[in-house]
Amino acid sequence: DTEVTQTPKHLVMGMTNKKSLKCEQHMGHRAMYWYKQKAKKPPELMFVYSYEKLSINESVPSRFSPECPNSSLLNLHLHALQPEDSALYLCASSQLGTVNSPLHFGNGTRLTVT
Amino acid sequence: AQKITQTQPGMFVQEKEAVTLDCTYDTSDQSYGLFWYKQPSSGEMIFLIYQGSYDEQNATEGRYSLNFQKARKSANLVISASQLGDSAMYFCAMREYGGSQGNLIFGKGTKLSVKP
Repeated sequence: DTEVTQTPKHLVMGMTNKKSLKCEQHMGHRAMYWYKQKAKKPPELMFVYSYEKLSINESVPSRFSPECPNSSLLNLHLHALQPEDSALYLCASSQLGTVNSPLHFGNGTRLTVT
Repeated sequence: AQKITQTQPGMFVQEKEAVTLDCTYDTSDQSYGLFWYKQPSSGEMIFLIYQGSYDEQNATEGRYSLNFQKARKSANLVISASQLGDSAMYFCAMREYGGSQGNLIFGKGTKLSVKP
């Protein structure tokens, strides 16, 4: 069982839709991450939250809007996406301040933009 | 320059045999961590094993072991007694102490196929 829960597992949306991806962890981790992964490629970092504050935005287009309501929850709001945004979106969490803490990933959301 | 290099895009191994997946890394930090993840076709990223830069012993976790050669900057994953369920993508990753908010730097991955 994964300790990081992502919903939904699959999402199909049109280019004019607004949708949200959700992520929840109860491991007491204070860093949370959004990654985007295209087929046969490694995950690419999108956003990092540290202590519920956005600390890294890897030049992600504004049609992706992250939100961290509390230390356990992380959302990714989607609006006016493009077909090339279709990918696997992975959420992860970890402890802060140490190199030896692995990132714990959720099962991901497979997003298809039509 | 790539910080994590995995030179084997694909590997085949016979069931019950051992296999080594290669990983080399590049960092100027003295403190860093090396990780291996498994990603089945279903998509989840599963943490397998960790090696710290100051660890003198090679890490082991069940059938997984990490062959850490610091001077060569290599951190190869060894899977013993391969099983059909080991077929997946395997990513080597590094976390640098001075890195951005603990982000992992991933290699391009190796696709392992286990033959019955």
